[in-house]
Amino acid sequence: GQQVMQIPQYQHVQEGEDFTTYCNSSTTLSNIQWYKQRPGGHPVFLIQLVKSGEVKKQKRLTFQFGEAKKNSSLHITATQTTDVGTYFCAGFPYNTGNQFYFGTGTSLTVIP
Amino acid sequence: SAVISQKPSRDICQRGTSLTIQCQVDSQVTMMFWYRQQPGQSLTLIATANQGSEATYESGFVIDKFPISRPNLTFSTLTVSNMSPEDSSIYLCSVAGQGHNYGYTFGSGTRLTVV
Repeated sequence: GQQVMQIPQYQHVQEGEDFTTYCNSSTTLSNIQWYKQRPGGHPVFLIQLVKSGEVKKQKRLTFQFGEAKKNSSLHITATQTTDVGTYFCAGFPYNTGNQFYFGTGTSLTVIP
Repeated sequence: SAVISQKPSRDICQRGTSLTIQCQVDSQVTMMFWYRQQPGQSLTLIATANQGSEATYESGFVIDKFPISRPNLTFSTLTVSNMSPEDSSIYLCSVAGQGHNYGYTFGSGTRLTVV
């Protein structure tokens, strides 16, 4: 079946350090989305990537979609305590309508 | 993006009882989605609720256990029936983004504890 894996599962960083989470799909994706879930909160949409090799930036966050459209990454530069939370990718395979699959998530802890 | 009101936000229930979770959206949407998120885990889709037709359930979830209603385009309920401690989880509803925002919007979640 469809699988979307993320690594690492957990990451602890000192404030100011960079952070990267990687998302890998077992199948080619039409697009991928990223979500952030704060502790005790619900997932909040961050961004969508559609094109092969696409790179998008939101302030300190950089999102990439792989050339083969099977992997993606989220990189945070100079983490802040407000970045704490779990980051999920959500992959949309081709020909499945609105069906998509959440990745396993990466929990980020930022140590002040 | 849509705004979703979900309630209750949390509940503690006795095993064998049922709990109905409600989601109200501030705009009309074709599909609403119900998810379960077990502690420290990712989100698992339970079912997709379409107005005017039966919900579509994912593998491992059945209508008898998780009946869903979708009486109109802005409202849906999920019932967790005959609960056991294994049903303790966070339940979330969601709708697809509209317009230029293609992201999904989630309700604030219902934290269910079954004792």
